[in-house]
Amino acid sequence: GENVEQHPSTLSVQEGDSAVIKCTYSDSASNYFPWYKQELGKGPQLIIDIRSNVGEKKDQRIAVTLNKTAKHFSLHITETQPEDSAVYFCAASKGSARQLTFGSGTQLTVLP
Amino acid sequence: GAGVSQSPRYKVAKRGQDVALRCDPISGHVSLFWYQQALGQGPEFLTYFQNEAQLDKSGLPSDRFFAERPEGSVSTLKIQRTQQEDSAVYLCASSRGQNQPQHFGDGTRLSIL
Repeated sequence: GENVEQHPSTLSVQEGDSAVIKCTYSDSASNYFPWYKQELGKGPQLIIDIRSNVGEKKDQRIAVTLNKTAKHFSLHITETQPEDSAVYFCAASKGSARQLTFGSGTQLTVLP
Repeated sequence: GAGVSQSPRYKVAKRGQDVALRCDPISGHVSLFWYQQALGQGPEFLTYFQNEAQLDKSGLPSDRFFAERPEGSVSTLKIQRTQQEDSAVYLCASSRGQNQPQHFGDGTRLSIL
């Protein structure tokens, strides 16, 4: 089955700096890669996703890049704000309406 | 609101009791998923429905776990003879269908004493 590895497990940045979280996946058939933000006591919230026919996608301060050859994808957050502090999960699947395999999460702390 | 609704938000049960967790998906979403999230870990897939059909139950950890979605809308996850290792947050997600993203509810935190 699919295996998704995520790092770092914790990340602290100063407000205004950029944050990068990286994930690798094992199944070359995976073609859908969402990123979720989870705040304490809440469910995961989709923040951005990318499909395997696209190399990069951007939405305001958030961007995701995908390298299919190397089987890794990354989340980039620019101009970080304290409200960006949360746990971020990457995931992979063979289609968005299929089961997601999640990474182990990154606790991001943005220091004011 | 128009999001995925789960109830109860918290459930405490004694070991050996049966529990039932409910999920109300976003209206019109045909796909419904259940995930289990242990403390400090990412969610892990349990089972998947398309309308009322359970298409994949490969993630259910034992035959004590049972899920249903009889009318293709509300779903119930039932755990029989609960054990301490069943303590976790149970998340439900729904999707409009093929090639549409999954949206999660806030989960049910289950504690088995």
